[in-house]
Amino acid sequence: DTGVSQDPRHKITKRGQNVTFRCDPISEHNRLYWYRQTLGQGPEFLTYFQNEAQLEKSRLLSDRFSAERPKGSFSTLEIQRTEQGDSAMYLCASTGAAWSTDTQYFGPGTRLTVL
Amino acid sequence: RKEVEQDPGPFNVPEGATVAFNCTYSNSASQSFFWYRQDCRKEPKLLMSVYSSGNEDGRFTAQLNRASQYISLLIRDSKLSDSATYLCVVNPSAGTYKYIFGTGTRLKVLA
Repeated sequence: DTGVSQDPRHKITKRGQNVTFRCDPISEHNRLYWYRQTLGQGPEFLTYFQNEAQLEKSRLLSDRFSAERPKGSFSTLEIQRTEQGDSAMYLCASTGAAWSTDTQYFGPGTRLTVL
Repeated sequence: RKEVEQDPGPFNVPEGATVAFNCTYSNSASQSFFWYRQDCRKEPKLLMSVYSSGNEDGRFTAQLNRASQYISLLIRDSKLSDSATYLCVVNPSAGTYKYIFGTGTRLKVLA
């Protein structure tokens, strides 16, 4: 399977715990995006990377959220001290073209439930 | 005002009907426009890009109106399999490669 993969697919955690999600983009893609989606809403932009550089981060992303893409391949999204409001689907997408807007290919998402 | 706005619906239409959705965007500098489709509990997938001159792909037609800052999607001869949420996506300016999604418009095609 050469699509975007995300791990885990589901995560249940207690409020206050830290969680980390992983995204593996399509191998030749150099831009990687993280989104959050709640029921009845469209995906909400969180951040994106061009290779290993984090180029933009949403103001909605609080200090508890951090993302990395250390070698320009896979990426991790960490949420510290989770809150019930963090419960959502976290989607990762990648795109291949370096200097143009292009089709985004999404992974299946990680569904987070904070109890 | 939201950067990208869509009527959430649902639009309930009979098979064979023609249905149209609009999406408005607030930033006049927006560069690129797309329609994505999202099935229930699945990830979004590109339906079509929207070009300045308008474009068609089978039963689907997309239009861009820069003066009024909206894009539209027309679906002709609706099929049951067209039932999904249609997401409007905008790249808001030339200086960024981020994408802003609308809330989506839910379509149900009824037998």
